Amino acid sequence: DQQVKQNSPSLSVQEGRISILNCDYTNSMFDYFLWYKKYPAEGPTFLISISSIKDKNEDGRFTVFLNKSAKHLSLHIVPSQPGDSAVYFCAASARTGGGADGLTFGKGTHLIIQP
Amino acid sequence: GAGVSQTPSNKVTEKGKYVELRCDPISGHTALYWYRQSLGQGPEFLIYFQGTGAADDSGLPNDRFFAVRPEGSVSTLKIQRTERGDSAVYLCASSPGTAADTQYFGPGTRLTVL
Repeated sequence: DQQVKQNSPSLSVQEGRISILNCDYTNSMFDYFLWYKKYPAEGPTFLISISSIKDKNEDGRFTVFLNKSAKHLSLHIVPSQPGDSAVYFCAASARTGGGADGLTFGKGTHLIIQP
Repeated sequence: GAGVSQTPSNKVTEKGKYVELRCDPISGHTALYWYRQSLGQGPEFLIYFQGTGAADDSGLPNDRFFAVRPEGSVSTLKIQRTERGDSAVYLCASSPGTAADTQYFGPGTRLTVL
């Protein structure tokens, strides 16, 4: 049973436009969410995170939005650049008690930025 | 500074053999994680070390899988009697170890069991 779901296996966006990647989760114990970016033959690279006490976190061109009632988060990239073409993974953890946990990942969305 | 390193980058073995995969975490990171990524899937958590001890090994699929971190730095993932279904990319990550820390991943070891 997938606790973190990324329902779009791929997404194509024109350079300069906004890319929106979506993620849904089912485990209400999750309280910390992350986005990782992965290029072929490399490990995932941390992009941005958000705690469940917030509904938005912004870092340069990247913004993550969290809707706890809907158990949904999204990553916005604006403007999209060719180097953003990669697989994006949504991940979540339950940090109750303050421990560092293993992450639960979605299957990823392959973002393709068209010139 | 140096990131997480993993060796070997590729490992091909035959069904039934024993393999060891090594992870060197970022210097000073007390938390170390192993994940497995199969084709078309996201990384799947296997085991988490805090220092030398395994704090959570609930993701290990069966008793053929074992991991150690004897000195609280380098870790080795050991797979006995490998099966074709063990073929995957094995990823290692480390973090400074507090609750708010981000996990930083290595490039992974691609294991192929023939």
